[in-house]
Amino acid sequence: GENVEQHPSTLSVQEGDSAVIKCTYSDSASNYFPWYKQELGKGPQLIIDIRSNVGEKKDQRIAVTLNKTAKHFSLHITETQPEDSAVYFCAASGPGTYKYIFGTGTRLKVLA
Amino acid sequence: KAGVTQTPRYLIKTRGQQVTLSCSPISGHRSVSWYQQTPGQGLQFLFEYFSETQRNKGNFPGRFSGRQFSNSRSEMNVSTLELGDSALYLCASSLGSNTEAFFGQGTRLTVV
Repeated sequence: GENVEQHPSTLSVQEGDSAVIKCTYSDSASNYFPWYKQELGKGPQLIIDIRSNVGEKKDQRIAVTLNKTAKHFSLHITETQPEDSAVYFCAASGPGTYKYIFGTGTRLKVLA
Repeated sequence: KAGVTQTPRYLIKTRGQQVTLSCSPISGHRSVSWYQQTPGQGLQFLFEYFSETQRNKGNFPGRFSGRQFSNSRSEMNVSTLELGDSALYLCASSLGSNTEAFFGQGTRLTVV
């Protein structure tokens, strides 16, 4: 069935360093890949997304890369700050659906 | 623009009871999806609705049901509650498929 694997489950970095989170999806029909950040007591919030016709997208300190052949996509956060500490989820979605398959989440800790 | 509103925020129910959760999407959004979030299973898709029609359903028992009204508001119902139903239930609304899903803050259900 549809599945999204996410690694690592926890990640600690020093403030100012970069953080990379990786996801692999199983459904080759997936064409939309959002990344969500979830802070304690809140619902997930979209931070960046990418569609299958694009290989890379950047928004200030955040970038996402997609390798459709390998069914991999990754989140890159540069110059990390303490407020980046949260749980990050990747997700995959297919055409014509509102259903997301989520990864299991990565707890990112940025140490000051 | 108001976000996705979920009510109530917290609920405590006894095993065997039933519960109804409510979700008001962002104005103009006709798609509503529901997810169950638990520490062990992560974010699991429950169902999605578009224009009052259920388009997709996740792998949950028939005790979990939902509906969408003509104003796009949605409710989900869980009957014969079990301890394992304790979770954060998240609702998301979106404008169209493969577009950003906006999440509410969730309803935290505790079954005792």
